[in-house]
Amino acid sequence: NAGVTQTPKFRILKIGQSMTLQCTQDMNHNYMYWYRQDPGMGLKLIYYSVGAGITDKGEVPNGYNVSRSTTEDFPLRLELAAPSQTSVYFCASSYPGQGISGNTIYFGEGSWLTVV
Amino acid sequence: GQQLNQSPQSMFIQEGEDVSMNCTSSSIFNTWLWYKQDPGEGPVLLIALYKAGELTSNGRLTAQFGITRKDSFLNISASIPSDVGIYFCAGPPLGDGGSQGNLIFGKGTKLSVKP
Repeated sequence: NAGVTQTPKFRILKIGQSMTLQCTQDMNHNYMYWYRQDPGMGLKLIYYSVGAGITDKGEVPNGYNVSRSTTEDFPLRLELAAPSQTSVYFCASSYPGQGISGNTIYFGEGSWLTVV
Repeated sequence: GQQLNQSPQSMFIQEGEDVSMNCTSSSIFNTWLWYKQDPGEGPVLLIALYKAGELTSNGRLTAQFGITRKDSFLNISASIPSDVGIYFCAGPPLGDGGSQGNLIFGKGTKLSVKP
């Protein structure tokens, strides 16, 4: 039962480099999200997607791009890495609706990114 | 925008003690969620609350949806070492109605348990 899978788990980037964080889910969830978590802070939404071909900005989208070509995959791209992007990144997914199955977001295990 | 304030920020307790933490907001939330994050892992949903006044248990955990819709409480009874972690409250922003599904998170309460 894989759930939400993120890769890589750890990565060190140099300033100005680019990279893609991969995320895939096998629960057939419509909605997918990327959050970042800075030390001692809660999670902040970067981008989200309500379905294949549809993406939208969250609270902190600057410096990132996303795409959603399939229901399963939602990669996050950093084009010009900056030290301010050092953080833990969590991909998540959910199936919209009421009750326990709605607004219940399932998270991946996180990707630790350091920009030096 | 809407914010969730959690207290306390951290707690150091002895194994066997009960724990109480809360989450407040200046605005109304229609759903309250409590997540636990183990070190090096992603958050995992513990309890979901959907109605004002609702009291829900999950094993040793009990959470309540405040009647004002502006707060929620999480209690852990008879704590054990594996309760260590960060506990987050979260909820969908007003006007979302579940159509977007994104969540606002508090900053978390870090729990440490001494055996």
